Amino acid sequence: QKEVEQNSGPLSVPEGAIASLNCTYSDRGSQSFFWYRQYSGKSPELIMFIYSNGDKEDGRFTAQLNKASQYVSLLIRDSQPSDSATYLCAVAGAGGTSYGKLTFGQGTILTVHP
Amino acid sequence: GAVVSQHPSRVICKSGTSVKIECRSLDFQATTMFWYRQFPKQSLMLMATSNEGSKATYEQGVEKDKFLINHASLTLSTLTVTSAHPEDSSFYICSAKRDPRSLDIQYFGAGTRLSVL
Repeated sequence: QKEVEQNSGPLSVPEGAIASLNCTYSDRGSQSFFWYRQYSGKSPELIMFIYSNGDKEDGRFTAQLNKASQYVSLLIRDSQPSDSATYLCAVAGAGGTSYGKLTFGQGTILTVHP
Repeated sequence: GAVVSQHPSRVICKSGTSVKIECRSLDFQATTMFWYRQFPKQSLMLMATSNEGSKATYEQGVEKDKFLINHASLTLSTLTVTSAHPEDSSFYICSAKRDPRSLDIQYFGAGTRLSVL
């Protein structure tokens, strides 16, 4: 059973602060990792994807990947109230019947308060 | 961009009826589409993988005779919930991969909220 674990939160941060979201995964062979944002009642929206160890930055978002520790994180700098949503970590299957399929974590609820 | 259109956005139906949900990739060809279901306060659960021109692959525990999937063209996949019952009420979301060789990026439709009375 391929698993993706996230702290469900809720995570509450003040406006302007850094929000740190974490995710661990069980399939050591996984190569592709994604962060999606989901507003209440809406479908997921891709924020970041990362394949290589290290950091990847896109605007206020930074994804960090450590394959040895099977850990991926998302940092949101200068958090805004509009960032308040559920953040889903997704991991693509590495092979066999799971190849190409995404396994989602349970999501972390982020609240950014003014 | 990579736009995936899903229709309808909301369906309310009586128990025992069948409901069809369409998923279209508007600006790219999608050889592979996925169907997910999401219950309140839970994460997305993959139901099936839909490949153009072939039978869908269902995840364990998903009844293929109840959730009929057709991927007749490179831009359209449909999910039919047959003889829907209240326990089928959920948020159904499709996604599409732009390129089967791509880095696994899936683009999601807006979702369909199904309520079975």
